[in-house]
Amino acid sequence: QKEVEQNSGPLSVPEGAIASLNCTYSDRGSQSFFWYRQYSGKSPELIMSIYSNGDKEDGRFTAQLNKASQYVSLLIRDSQPSDSATYLCAVSPSNQFYFGTGTSLTVIP
Amino acid sequence: SQTIHQWPATLVQPVGSPLSLECTVEGTSNPNLYWYRQAAGRGLQLLFYSVGIGQISSEVPQNLSASRPQDRQFILSSKKLLLSDSGFYLCAWNPTEGYPDTQYFGPGTRLTVL
Repeated sequence: QKEVEQNSGPLSVPEGAIASLNCTYSDRGSQSFFWYRQYSGKSPELIMSIYSNGDKEDGRFTAQLNKASQYVSLLIRDSQPSDSATYLCAVSPSNQFYFGTGTSLTVIP
Repeated sequence: SQTIHQWPATLVQPVGSPLSLECTVEGTSNPNLYWYRQAAGRGLQLLFYSVGIGQISSEVPQNLSASRPQDRQFILSSKKLLLSDSGFYLCAWNPTEGYPDTQYFGPGTRLTVL
């Protein structure tokens, strides 16, 4: 079983819509959760971190964590074409760091 | 502020040739350092990590090796490249204070083995 799983997509949304990206993880001891954005040909860029159950908002981005369900999500409101990228979910259970394979998002103008 | 550098940015090498990729971090001390490889259309594969000078842990047995000769320098090497070594090599660091779980990536080196 993979430690971190994401739908590979591609996910397409129209400009201005809400994009919803999902991630599940297997290690119940995980304490830290991250979302990275990776543009084609570029390195991953950290956009959100979340450590507690519930929602965390930063601008147009909202991360949601449910440790009981082992589920973390990222919502992007008012999606823009510049949000088109691959989004990587990462989970850190005590000194280990596991990445999902990423979800490709395309925002259609 | 902290910055991380990698070079070269791109590299084309023949099969069987040696490899040396370098990563340096500025603005911090005693970082944990990591080498990842991302093959085309694939996820991130952790290759090596280091918690200090001369301390290297290998995650995947292969023809690659890593060294950390200085606190903020991490080097990835190979004596003989294989075709399967092609990929996007990423160096990452995380602080040992503050938010130690957070990893930050360098710009990467795109390696093509022909």
